[in-house]
Amino acid sequence: GENVEQHPSTLSVQEGDSAVIKCTYSDSASNYFPWYKQELGKRPQLIIDIRSNVGEKKDQRIAVTLNKTAKHFSLHITETQPEDSAVYFCAASIPGNQFYFGTGTSLTVIP
Amino acid sequence: NAGVTQTPKFRVLKTGQSMTLLCAQDMNHEYMYWYRQDPGMGLRLIHYSVGEGTTAKGEVPDGYNVSRLKKQNFLLGLESAAPSQTSVYFCASSTSGLPYEQYFGPGTRLTVT
Repeated sequence: GENVEQHPSTLSVQEGDSAVIKCTYSDSASNYFPWYKQELGKRPQLIIDIRSNVGEKKDQRIAVTLNKTAKHFSLHITETQPEDSAVYFCAASIPGNQFYFGTGTSLTVIP
Repeated sequence: NAGVTQTPKFRVLKTGQSMTLLCAQDMNHEYMYWYRQDPGMGLRLIHYSVGEGTTAKGEVPDGYNVSRLKKQNFLLGLESAAPSQTSVYFCASSTSGLPYEQYFGPGTRLTVT
């Protein structure tokens, strides 16, 4: 099956700086790559996603890039704010809608 | 429109006891999923369903059973609970076509002693 690896596991940045989280996947059939934000004690919530036929997608301060050849995708958060502090998960979906998640990145934004 | 709901929110079981977790969605989604979340492990797929009356195994199905008798409901059963099943369980639903945006329930925190 699919294997998704996520790095780093923890990340601390100063408020206003950028944060980058990287994921790799193993199954070339994966065609959908969502990113989730999970606050303590809450459910994961989708923040941005990208399909395999797109190289980059941006939504305000958040962007995702996908390199299908290298099988990696990244989340970029610019102008970080304290409310961005949370655990972020990447995921990859293979046809048939099975999702495989990374192990998460705990992001702390220091005011 | 409640989205995805789960009952119960918390449960404590003794080893060997059984229980059923209920997931309900009101978005008419075809696909439903059960995940477990353990510290440092991310979310791992237990079982999923691509439609009413169908179920399939995910990454970590052992010790669990599921049923999807109605499109809006997806039940997760533990026949004989073990301490290794202590976890937070999330249900999710999604459409069947791209994008497969998943909507998660609030989670159930299960402790097996």
